[in-house]
Amino acid sequence: GENVEQHPSTLSVQEGDSAVIKCTYSDSASNYFPWYKQELGKGPQLIIDIRSNVGEKKDQRIAVTLNKTAKHFSLHITETQPEDSAVYFCGGDSNYQLIWGAGTKLIIKP
Amino acid sequence: KAGVTQTPRYLIKTRGQQVTLSCSPISGHRSVSWYQQTPGQGLQFLFEYFSETQRNKGNFPGRFSGRQFSNSRSEMNVSTLELGDSALYLCASSPGASGDNEQFFGPGTRLTVL
Repeated sequence: GENVEQHPSTLSVQEGDSAVIKCTYSDSASNYFPWYKQELGKGPQLIIDIRSNVGEKKDQRIAVTLNKTAKHFSLHITETQPEDSAVYFCGGDSNYQLIWGAGTKLIIKP
Repeated sequence: KAGVTQTPRYLIKTRGQQVTLSCSPISGHRSVSWYQQTPGQGLQFLFEYFSETQRNKGNFPGRFSGRQFSNSRSEMNVSTLELGDSALYLCASSPGASGDNEQFFGPGTRLTVL
């Protein structure tokens, strides 16, 4: 079946540095790629998404880039802060269903 | 608008029992999806209901079932509970199909099977 691979599984960065999480997908028909953030004890929450007619999208310190030819997309967080510590999930749509990546635990070191 | 609510928040059951979890979506949302989350296993998709019809189903045994009512509220049922069913069960609602719409998650129901 279709799948979405996410790397790395754990990422530790110094506060103030940038963090990058990458995902690859298998369904060439995928058009919608969201990123969700899950804080401890809470359900995931959408932080940014991108559709296939756009190559990059930014929202303050976060950005997502999409390369449809290579079938991969990435989440970029600049000037990381302690509140960025969480688990991040990527996803890609396939047959009207969202296929999820396995998640990345982002640790911000003080 | 009120968010997605799930009841109960915590549940303790013993092996062999059955359990029913409830999810009330955001008003106006027609899609409800259910996920199982265990430590280190990410979000495992159980099923999605849209306008009372099951649209998609994940790779779980038939012991896991669900339904959606005309008011979009949804329930999932797990019969003959096993120790491995201990997990956080999340539901999410979206205005349209979950594949290409934002999903709004509830806080989850923490199920412990003893």
